[in-house]
Amino acid sequence: QSALTQPASVSGSPGQSITISCTGTSSDVGGYNYVSWYQQHPGKAPKLMIYDVSNRPSGVSNRFSGTKSGNTASLTISGLQAEDEADYYCCSYTTSSSWVFGGGTKLTVL
Amino acid sequence: QVQLQESGPGLVKPSQTLSLTCTVSGGSINSGSYYWSWIRQPAGKGLEWIGRVSTSGSTNYNPSLKSRVSISVDTSKNQFSLKLSSVTAADTAVYYCVKYVIALTSFDPWGQGILVTVSS
Repeated sequence: QSALTQPASVSGSPGQSITISCTGTSSDVGGYNYVSWYQQHPGKAPKLMIYDVSNRPSGVSNRFSGTKSGNTASLTISGLQAEDEADYYCCSYTTSSSWVFGGGTKLTVL
Repeated sequence: QVQLQESGPGLVKPSQTLSLTCTVSGGSINSGSYYWSWIRQPAGKGLEWIGRVSTSGSTNYNPSLKSRVSISVDTSKNQFSLKLSSVTAADTAVYYCVKYVIALTSFDPWGQGILVTVSS
């Protein structure tokens, strides 16, 4: 299985909004509404931010939102804050009864 | 809140078998509808799902690793384990044990991770 495709990096200024895309195929992203997003700060374990494409776990800021269209899922962060600077990974269930991650996107808050 | 902690050797020789254990605390490994998973991350690279086990012992593995991986669960010890055979330098990574919540179709929480280096 191939990794989902994410941009290597995105950046934005405090207060702005950014969107990170995650492109797969009909065998993963396009085939299921089982896309999740994870935030990872340097040296730390990943943290769940979005599940089932667009749902936020308890405790996650409503500045984080997710959507999906066809084979591409997206994570939007609005009102960027310095603490949002991190790596972000998407993940999808696949037709192989397995899970595949994206290559990760480094978010820089300017 | 459930917590997970990885343990095992930090250094493994090439061609040998990597063995890690994850201890679950703060709750029973048998409670709820969960899978218990392993995910790894080479330095400076992305995440790779390795496989998962249910408390009944059923497993699923990453197709690319399937021939070398075995994941098992010991409910009496509240632990689950990973074995990866015939390791090479490409298997050097931080290994995370993670709870997969079936209802949320997502991985949460994660252990802190353990660095395993494959080197002679």
